[in-house]
Amino acid sequence: QVQLVESGGGVVQPGRSLRLSCAASGFTFSSFGIHWVRQAPGKGLEWVAVIQYDGRSKFYADSVKGRFTISRDNSKNTLYLQMDSLRAEDTAVYFCARSISPWAPPPDYWGQGTLVTVSS
Amino acid sequence: QTVVTQEPSFSVSPGGTVTLTCGLSSGSVSTSYYPSWYQQTPGQAPRTLIHSTSTRSSGVPDRFSGSILGNKGALTITGAQADDDGDYYCALYLGSGISVFGGGTKLTVL
Repeated sequence: QVQLVESGGGVVQPGRSLRLSCAASGFTFSSFGIHWVRQAPGKGLEWVAVIQYDGRSKFYADSVKGRFTISRDNSKNTLYLQMDSLRAEDTAVYFCARSISPWAPPPDYWGQGTLVTVSS
Repeated sequence: QTVVTQEPSFSVSPGGTVTLTCGLSSGSVSTSYYPSWYQQTPGQAPRTLIHSTSTRSSGVPDRFSGSILGNKGALTITGAQADDDGDYYCALYLGSGISVFGGGTKLTVL
């Protein structure tokens, strides 16, 4: 069955960096786009970024553009999110989620999420 | 900036039918936006109910259905049950790689 497992969350000071990972199994990873979606405490879902199946095209929400970088290693079935210049408002649970296609339409399968807390 | 709109809250009686909608601050929702619907209960990851307007995700009961109603995407729950209580989010694909979630609808079954 499709599984997505996020890791790498934790507490980090404002202005510092953190890298999240998402390990995928149960499907042909290299055939699907993958999203990052986050949810701040008590708030709704916010789309963060997506990377298409071959890693060539990447798209970002305005709120993270220039600070976050999405990437993937299809040989390791793993997705990454490099988060730089972190701010308090980046505090959230971060979910990776598989697109329904090789490209960017909204996701179907979701991971359980990893919590990132940006605080001094 | 495009905003995806949802009703903030809705209430339905057990066994009843409810339709939640997903609109755009400007323009009409069509199948080209791949409207998708997600259910979330406290402390849990979102669960996909519907994607691509009306395709039910694996394991989702057929009392959940998706459609386009007028100029909005719609999720209809027929025969609501107590465990349908929770938050429901829609997402739309705006093109150029960008997706946007609505603010969510808190559904109460009572």
